[in-house]
Amino acid sequence: KQEVTQIPAALSVPEGENLVLNCSFTDSAIYNLQWFRQDPGKGLTSLLLIQSSQREQTSGRLNASLDKSSGRSTLYIAASQPGDSATYLCAVSRTQGGSEKLVFGKGTKLTVNP
Amino acid sequence: NAGVTQTPKFQVLKTGQSMTLQCAQDMNHEYMSWYRQDPGMGLRLIHYSVGAGITDQGEVPNGYNVSRSTTEDFPLRLLSAAPSQTSVYFCASRRYRQSSYNSPLHFGNGTRLTVT
Repeated sequence: KQEVTQIPAALSVPEGENLVLNCSFTDSAIYNLQWFRQDPGKGLTSLLLIQSSQREQTSGRLNASLDKSSGRSTLYIAASQPGDSATYLCAVSRTQGGSEKLVFGKGTKLTVNP
Repeated sequence: NAGVTQTPKFQVLKTGQSMTLQCAQDMNHEYMSWYRQDPGMGLRLIHYSVGAGITDQGEVPNGYNVSRSTTEDFPLRLLSAAPSQTSVYFCASRRYRQSSYNSPLHFGNGTRLTVT
């Protein structure tokens, strides 16, 4: 059974700091890995999707890497801003019974202090 | 540019009542799904659909029914509400046939349901 773990559960940093969020998964047979952002009282917004054949994806100040063999992904946020404060979730896609499903981690709550 | 729209945003039910949570998307996505989000449990898949007329169970389907008569709509029905169904419910959609398995998931803003 695929399990996705995100450590730490919460992180507080001063504005301007570069930071890394971690995601690990137990089964390397995945199609892709997605990073999402969730603001309080809102739905999830997809930030980056890394296909299983890729090593990383970049969008602005965000860079996500994927190492399938070790079951790990990292989300790097450069020059953090208070507006980056949110919960960040990763999810891996897998097959079960012939259908593709996403398994989510429980998220890392990030606070960027001005 | 509506994306995924969920109604209502908030709902309070009494034990035993039934209701339908609505979800609509305007992106012509084949795949639609329902998740519930609970503290300490993360997001769990309830039901999903890969096209009109096709539905399947997810991880926690008991107590919920779905149907998919159109590409745009995917309602979630609670047949007889129980306090254990108190949660935040999210609908999500994505492309399915094109670039299969590599299309990002788009979420609605959720419905916060309380069952007393």
